[in-house]
Amino acid sequence: ILNVEQSPQSLHVQEGDSTNFTCSFPSSNFYALHWYRWETAKSPEALFVMTLNGDEKKKGRISATLNTKEGYSYLYIKGSQPEDSATYLCAFRASYDKVIFGPGTSLSVIP
Amino acid sequence: NAGVTQTPKFRVLKTGQSMTLLCAQDMNHEYMYWYRQDPGMGLRLIHYSVGEGTTAKGEVPDGYNVSRLKKQNFLLGLESAAPSQTSVYFCASSYRTSPPRDEQFFGPGTRLTVL
Repeated sequence: ILNVEQSPQSLHVQEGDSTNFTCSFPSSNFYALHWYRWETAKSPEALFVMTLNGDEKKKGRISATLNTKEGYSYLYIKGSQPEDSATYLCAFRASYDKVIFGPGTSLSVIP
Repeated sequence: NAGVTQTPKFRVLKTGQSMTLLCAQDMNHEYMYWYRQDPGMGLRLIHYSVGEGTTAKGEVPDGYNVSRLKKQNFLLGLESAAPSQTSVYFCASSYRTSPPRDEQFFGPGTRLTVL
């Protein structure tokens, strides 16, 4: 059974703080690791697709790293802003029909 | 482009009733997916399709059927709704890449309540 875990489950930070969360996934049969941002009352939107061990991706204040050998990815947010408040999902892709989503990390940024 | 759209947005059913959820995408994507999202759980794959005329079971297929008669549409059917099928349903689509790595584009969701 493929299992994808995310920690922490939820997080409250002050505006301006930097934060990070973790996605853990199986270290075998790896094709890709996706990060999605999911704002309340909206649809999940893709942030990053990571495919190679050691990958680092960056979009503005958000960045992510990937370690496929040990099965984890970190998402970092530098200088959190209220508009960063959302649930961040990771999805492990083992094949075209095996996309396993983690339960998400809910981030609240307090002004 | 409208992206991925879902119809209806909300629906309340009685136990035993049937209904069909429609997903449409205008991005010429080969792959389409149906997920359900329940509190405290991640998105769980119900069924998926890798092309027109093909469908396959995902993680939680029981009680659902699907059809993909046209490339742009993916229908999810509930033949006899049960309260356990109360959930928010998301449709998604993606390009076919080899190996499969492409991001998925999601619809706005359908909130279904079964009484």
